Amino acid sequence: SQKIEQNSEALNIQEGKTATLTCNYTNYSPAYLQWYRQDPGRGPVFLLLIRENEKEKRKERLKVTFDTTLKQSLFHITASQPADSATYLCALDILGGYSGGGADGLTFGKGTHLIIQP
Amino acid sequence: DVKVTQSSRYLVKRTGEKVFLECVQDMDHENMFWYRQDPGLGLRLIYFSYDVKMKEKGDIPEGYSVSREKKERFSLILESASTNQTSMYLCASSLWGTEQYFGPGTRLTVT
Repeated sequence: SQKIEQNSEALNIQEGKTATLTCNYTNYSPAYLQWYRQDPGRGPVFLLLIRENEKEKRKERLKVTFDTTLKQSLFHITASQPADSATYLCALDILGGYSGGGADGLTFGKGTHLIIQP
Repeated sequence: DVKVTQSSRYLVKRTGEKVFLECVQDMDHENMFWYRQDPGLGLRLIYFSYDVKMKEKGDIPEGYSVSREKKERFSLILESASTNQTSMYLCASSLWGTEQYFGPGTRLTVT
């Protein structure tokens, strides 16, 4: 069966250090992978999208890598701040979608709870 | 900025009631989605729509139906609410092959 795995336990990082979150998947061949941030009681907010032909993507203090051979994405936050504390979700598209027409159904991992300690 | 709004932030309904959750987006997105989120289970796709009057089942469609009569509006219907449908419901929209924009969520409690 299709599976997406993220660190299930909370990740505690000291302020100023780099936080690295992992997303592993099996039995998928995604065309792209996305990362979202979710704060308690709110909807997820999009952060980065990386396509299967891209190895790395950056946005300010964020960096995402995508290794389709290892079936893994790493999400890095450099110079972490307490305001970065949140749950981070990775999501994969299912190529071809449910209808076979390329519709954009996403499957989400359960998320990693990141805590940045001052 | 893209805005996705949901009709209620909190809703309490009784078992057996018919429940309507409304979602509206203002960016002319083709795709709209309904998810539910439960502790330990994460976000799960219920239904999505890629055009007006078109709908596709997601991972957990049982007990739900949807309606998309206008491009900007996507409704989730619980025909006969049950306690196991107590959850956070999230609506999202997107263009093809791009990120999804989520609404604030509706926390539904069925008693």
